[in-house]
Amino acid sequence: DAGVIQSPRHEVTEMGQEVTLRCKPISGHDYLFWYRQTMMRGLELLIYFNNNVPIDDSGMPEDRFSAKMPNASFSTLKIQPSEPRDSAVYFCASSSADAPYREGTEAFFGQGTRLTVV
Amino acid sequence: DQQVKQNSPSLSVQEGRISILNCDYTNSMFDYFLWYKKYPAEGPTFLISISSIKDKNEDGRFTVFLNKSAKHLSLHIVPSQPGDSAVYFCAASVGAGNMLTFGGGTRLMVKP
Repeated sequence: DAGVIQSPRHEVTEMGQEVTLRCKPISGHDYLFWYRQTMMRGLELLIYFNNNVPIDDSGMPEDRFSAKMPNASFSTLKIQPSEPRDSAVYFCASSSADAPYREGTEAFFGQGTRLTVV
Repeated sequence: DQQVKQNSPSLSVQEGRISILNCDYTNSMFDYFLWYKKYPAEGPTFLISISSIKDKNEDGRFTVFLNKSAKHLSLHIVPSQPGDSAVYFCAASVGAGNMLTFGGGTRLMVKP
């Protein structure tokens, strides 16, 4: 498997524009997570899905943020309208709870999307 | 309120010596702890984990120790190598599904 694939790797956009980040999880994984990394707040969980269903979106900062998972192999994180304070690295991760031991359920991360809003 | 804290933002160690990275947590419900390693421009990579029923887990040069009463865990790397230079994140979760709460990270520099 190629691992978790995120696109684009880099995104530069103007304030007020819509931004869509994409993620393809590892095949067979039933959990998908969106994290954001900033200097101020470190790595924080935004939302996660289990079997394509959003379970906890309490980390989503504002209504400007939305996430979808239309099927098991694709998820999007959308920011509309974008603001300069949204500039960060956004990571997608996936994991499987279908392991014989709990210690086998670690999350695998994509390479991230570096978003810059000017 | 930070539930997982790494109080040392950076650590410098000589090659061949031991690196000890520390992590404290406040949520007593956490039952699974992980260490991730991150190189610049890459996503975090899983390194080693430990469940709350254990107090030690070892994998090659990496050992994680868990002290539940102190709500403290540590990662030992011995011997340290220059390739270990990276940012190390401590993470914790409650129950299944790996909804991870991360610490702020510690930048480890291993000098040749």
